[in-house]
Amino acid sequence: AQSVTQLGSHVSVSEGALVLLRCNYSSSVPPYLFWYVQYPNQGLQLLLKYTTGATLVKGINGFEAEFKKSETSFHLTKPSAHMSDAAEYFCAVGVSGTYKYIFGTGTRLKVLA
Amino acid sequence: NAGVTQTPKFQVLKTGQSMTLQCAQDMNHNSMYWYRQDPGMGLRLIYYSASEGTTDKGEVPNGYNVSRLNKREFSLRLESAAPSQTSVYFCASTPPGQVNTGELFFGEGSRLTVL
Repeated sequence: AQSVTQLGSHVSVSEGALVLLRCNYSSSVPPYLFWYVQYPNQGLQLLLKYTTGATLVKGINGFEAEFKKSETSFHLTKPSAHMSDAAEYFCAVGVSGTYKYIFGTGTRLKVLA
Repeated sequence: NAGVTQTPKFQVLKTGQSMTLQCAQDMNHNSMYWYRQDPGMGLRLIYYSASEGTTDKGEVPNGYNVSRLNKREFSLRLESAAPSQTSVYFCASTPPGQVNTGELFFGEGSRLTVL
């Protein structure tokens, strides 16, 4: 069964520092992978997605993620954190052959001034 | 341009009471979903509807029923609420023709407390 694992339920970075949020997936077929962001008391919104093609995917707000098949990873990065990046981030996979999307448990990002 | 609209936004129930969460989308999407969000557990899929007239179980369907009333509307019903169903519920939809590759569009959530 396809699944995603997010390492670190809480991550703190200083403003201006590199943001790295980790996501590993389990899949026997090429996965469709997503990162979503959730601000307090709101629904989730898409940051970026990987389906096929270029393995380095750029998203909104300066975020990007790289699909690494050999490491079964899809880590999310941003070169320089901003206070407005404080939110919860979810990695998700589109389950092959179905209409289902499975989410990880989330990582709450805190940005320190 | 409303997107995905959920009602109610907040609800408090007593154990054993029933209620229905309503969801409507105005984007002509085919597939619709209900998730629940609990601290430390991320989002878990309750039920989904690939298209009008079809519904399927997700990861945690027990205690819930759904109805795909038409292409726009997908409701979630709790027949006999239990404290374990205290959660934030999200409805989502995806554009047609994008089976498990499309962006999920989420509503703002419905916060349910069962006493």
